[in-house]
Amino acid sequence: AQSVTQLDSHVSVSEGTPVLLRCNYSSSYSPSLFWYVQHPNKGLQLLLKYTSAATLVKGINGFEAEFKKSETSFHLTKPSAHMSDAAEYFCVVSPHILTGGGNKLTFGTGTQLKVEL
Amino acid sequence: DAGVIQSPRHEVTEMGQEVTLRCKPISGHDYLFWYRQTMMRGLELLIYFNNNVPIDDSGMPEDRFSAKMPNASFSTLKIQPSEPRDSAVYFCASSLRMNTEAFFGQGTRLTVV
Repeated sequence: AQSVTQLDSHVSVSEGTPVLLRCNYSSSYSPSLFWYVQHPNKGLQLLLKYTSAATLVKGINGFEAEFKKSETSFHLTKPSAHMSDAAEYFCVVSPHILTGGGNKLTFGTGTQLKVEL
Repeated sequence: DAGVIQSPRHEVTEMGQEVTLRCKPISGHDYLFWYRQTMMRGLELLIYFNNNVPIDDSGMPEDRFSAKMPNASFSTLKIQPSEPRDSAVYFCASSLRMNTEAFFGQGTRLTVV
């Protein structure tokens, strides 16, 4: 079975400083991994995805994530936080087709990002 | 494409009443998902369809919940009878193929009083 662990439930940064949101995954095979963002009272928006191509993935709004198989991690980063980045972020794993896990995305518990002036 | 469209955006109903949530997936997407989001339990997958056929409904909490997908462009999630503990935001999502990203609707905020 697959799983994701988001190591921090809340992260607070100052505007203009780097952002690091941590995610570790567990999967029998090389999975597909995603980061989604949810602004208050909104739906979930895809930030970026990893599907076994380049290990460094660039997404929207300046975010990027690096797939590290040896560490089973897929941390989300941004060089400089903006006030508009304040939201909840979800790390998501999709099962490899060989696992027989169907098409069930597994969501992490979310990390609430706060950006202060 | 307008994305995944859900209706209504907000629903307030009395305990015991029937509630129907509606979803129009992105055209051409083969998979449709229904999720529920609460503070206590986070995001939970209720059910998903492939080519209009229910594949996994193990997340449906009780017999009071049912979901249908009569055609490729429409799905409903029905709760009958509704209870206060059903209060949550319900999301519909669709994806093009297996193991690809899902695109989410704006959600329906359900309040059962």
